[in-house]
Amino acid sequence: GAVVSQHPSWVICKSGTSVKIECRSLDFQATTMFWYRQFPKQSLMLMATSNEGSKATYEQGVEKDKFLINHASLTLSTLTVTSAHPEDSSFYICSASGGSTDTQYFGPGTRLTVL
Amino acid sequence: GQSLEQPSEVTAVEGAIVQINCTYQTSGFYGLSWYQQHDGGAPTFLSYNALDGLEETGRFSSFLSRSDSYGYLLLQELQMKDSASYFCAVFYNQGGKLIFGQGTELSVKP
Repeated sequence: GAVVSQHPSWVICKSGTSVKIECRSLDFQATTMFWYRQFPKQSLMLMATSNEGSKATYEQGVEKDKFLINHASLTLSTLTVTSAHPEDSSFYICSASGGSTDTQYFGPGTRLTVL
Repeated sequence: GQSLEQPSEVTAVEGAIVQINCTYQTSGFYGLSWYQQHDGGAPTFLSYNALDGLEETGRFSSFLSRSDSYGYLLLQELQMKDSASYFCAVFYNQGGKLIFGQGTELSVKP
């Protein structure tokens, strides 16, 4: 149990375009979902926390107008990188928690490359 | 503020025991988690300590001392497949968020 999926697993886009990444909890209801970014050989940096039906809470330094997060249901959260630039190229990972445990279960990640 | 410190690299041989330390300075601490991440993959949950003491899960054990703001992950009977990055992460009760350390790259040699 506790499977989290992400789609797409990788994406290449041109500078200036927007990219949407989906995060789904497949076998549990995720009351909270988290979005992280990870650059090569670095740690996971928390970008934002989203609770179903509420606005996301962004970490300091993360532009909420650039990284749009929607958590419309208990099994789906989306991250949209708007007007992507090469410096946004990174590994984006979501996690989800819910049910009787606070353990976060991570998705497989989405590798974004902006040309 | 929040900060977690881990060694950046550790090398050990197959069959050995290795300990990865984590010290933290943070407010709002609720517990300490450990995750494993292979290259290009997602973090995998290993262990969680909310209380002081040792938690054992198979070959992996984790320890926490809240008074010392210190924890460690102990890996026994090392195998080649254990070569990966290991992250400690502080769990905050408020918001349930995790803040990760910089990670320790473990290399297991034959």
